[in-house]
Amino acid sequence: SQTIHQWPATLVQPVGSPLSLECTVEGTSNPNLYWYRQAAGRGLQLLFYSVGIGQISSEVPQNLSASRPQDRQFILSSKKLLLSDSGFYLCAWSVGGGAHEQFFGPGTRLTVL
Amino acid sequence: RKEVEQDPGPFNVPEGATVAFNCTYSNSASQSFFWYRQDCRKEPKLLMSVYSSGNEDGRFTAQLNRASQYISLLIRDSKLSDSATYLCVVFRSGNTPLVFGKGTRLSVIA
Repeated sequence: SQTIHQWPATLVQPVGSPLSLECTVEGTSNPNLYWYRQAAGRGLQLLFYSVGIGQISSEVPQNLSASRPQDRQFILSSKKLLLSDSGFYLCAWSVGGGAHEQFFGPGTRLTVL
Repeated sequence: RKEVEQDPGPFNVPEGATVAFNCTYSNSASQSFFWYRQDCRKEPKLLMSVYSSGNEDGRFTAQLNRASQYISLLIRDSKLSDSATYLCVVFRSGNTPLVFGKGTRLSVIA
């Protein structure tokens, strides 16, 4: 069966510090991968998605970047965090080719101080 | 107009009640539809897919009305454990990501 891992679960970082969040998927090949952010009490905001290694689509201009160095690994990064980067970061995967449900990892709760 | 719109609620209902949520979508070419459930401070989880003919899973019934571009979720005999935010989700086409509504919050009260 497929599983998706995210770490860390909780993170507190100072403004201006770098960020690296990792997501890995097991039990499937060539998944579509996604990064979302959810601010407190708000809906999901799609940040990036990837349909293959090295292929990244960005949904909104921002202080973040994403990379997919391996088929089942998706990394979210920032060189300098802003206060507004605080939120609940969720990674998700789906079977490639569209029209498929997405499955979410447990998320990382980031607080930027 | 937002692509997926939901009443944010909250819907406060007593245990045992029947409650229904509607969701409208703007893209008539949308192909697939889902309901997700998100508990407080947790990740969203797939509740059920929505099929053209309507489908039922225990106390949950989902329906799709393509002519009016809305989907619905009916929960019968509400339980305290049904308290959560319910997200309406639409798939457009190709390899694009799913589009999530902002969710409807349900509180079931003893």
